[in-house]
Amino acid sequence: GNSVTQMEGPVTLSEEAFLTINCTYTATGYPSLFWYVQYPGEGLQLLLKATKADDKGSNKGFEATYRKETTSFHLEKGSVQVSDSAVYFCALSANYKLSFGAGTTVTVRA
Amino acid sequence: NAGVTQTPKFQVLKTGQSMTLQCAQDMNHNSMYWYRQDPGMGLRLIYYSASEGTTDKGEVPNGYNVSRLNKREFSLRLESAAPSQTSVYFCASSGHQTSTSNQPQHFGDGTRLSIL
Repeated sequence: GNSVTQMEGPVTLSEEAFLTINCTYTATGYPSLFWYVQYPGEGLQLLLKATKADDKGSNKGFEATYRKETTSFHLEKGSVQVSDSAVYFCALSANYKLSFGAGTTVTVRA
Repeated sequence: NAGVTQTPKFQVLKTGQSMTLQCAQDMNHNSMYWYRQDPGMGLRLIYYSASEGTTDKGEVPNGYNVSRLNKREFSLRLESAAPSQTSVYFCASSGHQTSTSNQPQHFGDGTRLSIL
């Protein structure tokens, strides 16, 4: 079946540091890939998406590239801010359903 | 912009009590979903409704029932609550899914449910 594995947290960074969260997937067919973000006490919000191989999704300074050869969709941001502190979920959509990774908690210190 | 609205936001139940969680979306989406979120496990799909009039089991359906009341509303019912159902429950909706078009899902703010 479909599954998503993302790096375990928590991750603690200083402001303006570089952030990478690794995500790999297992799927049949042609899945779409997503990153969602969850701020404290809130639901998940779509951060970015990619629908086919070599697509790059980007939003709010975050980027992720759909790599079919390595079955990966790593999230990156070049300079994080305190407001980026949240839980980040990698997800795969195939056969009408979403499969989520376990989530990575990111804390950015001023 | 209401999006996906869940009620209630918090609830405490005793073991064996029943409860219905409500969800409504105003985006004219065809598909709706119920998830539970537990620490270290991400979100797991309980039930989903691909379109009005249909419902299907997800990954963890045991102990739950759902009703797709109309296109806007999708409720989740716990008939006899158990402590293992203590969790945060999220409702989501999305546009029409096909085998080649995977639409992103839009989430509500969650219902925090504790079973004593």
